[in-house]
Amino acid sequence: DGGITQSPKYLFRKEGQNVTLSCEQNLNHDAMYWYRQDPGQGLRLIYYSQIVNDFQKGDIAEGYSVSREKKESFPLTVTSAQKNPTAFYLCASSIGQGTNEKLFFGSGTQLSVL
Amino acid sequence: SQQGEEDPQALSIQEGENATMNCSYKTSINNLQWYRQNSGRGLVHLILIRSNEREKHSGRLRVTLDTSKKSSSLLITASRAADTASYFCANSGNTPLVFGKGTRLSVIA
Repeated sequence: DGGITQSPKYLFRKEGQNVTLSCEQNLNHDAMYWYRQDPGQGLRLIYYSQIVNDFQKGDIAEGYSVSREKKESFPLTVTSAQKNPTAFYLCASSIGQGTNEKLFFGSGTQLSVL
Repeated sequence: SQQGEEDPQALSIQEGENATMNCSYKTSINNLQWYRQNSGRGLVHLILIRSNEREKHSGRLRVTLDTSKKSSSLLITASRAADTASYFCANSGNTPLVFGKGTRLSVIA
């Protein structure tokens, strides 16, 4: 069954703690993305990766870090430098980054601060 | 800003009615995509309309594109309670995709 899997579904972070959100895809897609969604808001791009071992900052990268060591995996770390991390985080992938590429999304991770 | 603006922000209709939502950009539009998001879930791709197309249909969905006005509209005909969701447009001229804030559609049975 192909798709994108995000885990965990819910995550709680304590003050000063780093947490990592998992994103795995078995679609053989080259490009992967992380978006943040606040209540009633649209999606804002955090980081994206077009190919293994390469990634670029999006609009709101401060306080976040990523890695792309494997094609199928693109984990996102929310560091203690991110002062307002409570949000719904969405991972997505696409075959490439052409103008006709559609994104496939995971089911999201809701991150809350304790 | 490259972000699209959807209008209205929220829409409530009765089952069986048509729902129309609009999307506009300040930058030029290449190809435009529409996505749907059920509450607490990821987005699902609905339809892509290319810059050289003016109208496209997919089932109960009808999308129009006016590149001169930098705008698009999504029409859902004969709406059902299951259509209740948020709908987002995304300009394919921006890579990665830049999404608007979406239109929240409520279809009342």
